[in-house]
Amino acid sequence: EAGVAQSPRYKIIEKRQSVAFWCNPISGHATLYWYQQILGQGPKLLIQFQNNGVVDDSQLPKDRFSAERLKGVDSTLKIQPAKLEDSAVYLCASSKQDYTDTQYFGPGTRLTVL
Amino acid sequence: AQSVTQLGSHVSVSEGALVLLRCNYSSSVPPYLFWYVQYPNQGLQLLLKYTTGATLVKGINGFEAEFKKSETSFHLTKPSAHMSDAAEYFCAVSPMEYGNKLVFGAGTILRVKS
Repeated sequence: EAGVAQSPRYKIIEKRQSVAFWCNPISGHATLYWYQQILGQGPKLLIQFQNNGVVDDSQLPKDRFSAERLKGVDSTLKIQPAKLEDSAVYLCASSKQDYTDTQYFGPGTRLTVL
Repeated sequence: AQSVTQLGSHVSVSEGALVLLRCNYSSSVPPYLFWYVQYPNQGLQLLLKYTTGATLVKGINGFEAEFKKSETSFHLTKPSAHMSDAAEYFCAVSPMEYGNKLVFGAGTILRVKS
């Protein structure tokens, strides 16, 4: 069974530029999560999708971050414009149903904002 | 609000020694509890989880954890450390309510000395 795929693995941009990350969850998983992991901290949930609907985006900085999950499969997370404090690893995870099911994580995208 | 405290950002043990990683949570009701492991440049992998039932939970790679409601703790243990156990470990909690997010601790880096 293929795992959660993410791309790119690394991205370096300058502040005020825009960037997009892509995630393809495990086939058949209804729930998809985007986490932000800042160096030295645990992952923080940014947004949770159930199929193609948003369940929780309370910690998503909506003035600069956006995410979509078209057709309930893969997803993109966008930052526009980026700030220095957005430097982090962005992890995508998926589970069959909700958070009580095992979440399977992708390898992450390491973003550096200069 | 849910919170998770992992005591010790770094733990060092000798190969063959007991591994003990501490996790305490704050919650008004007993939550679901998880331990994840993260190897360098990889995503998180579930080690074990507690939902209901037996309070001693066994996971992969010889790890286990015990849920102690009176102490609001969910410490992770392994009788004998192996070099391959060197990684970062995250404790996470979630209340038994649909739609609430997984909250992670800050992580503990385990170093295994030969």
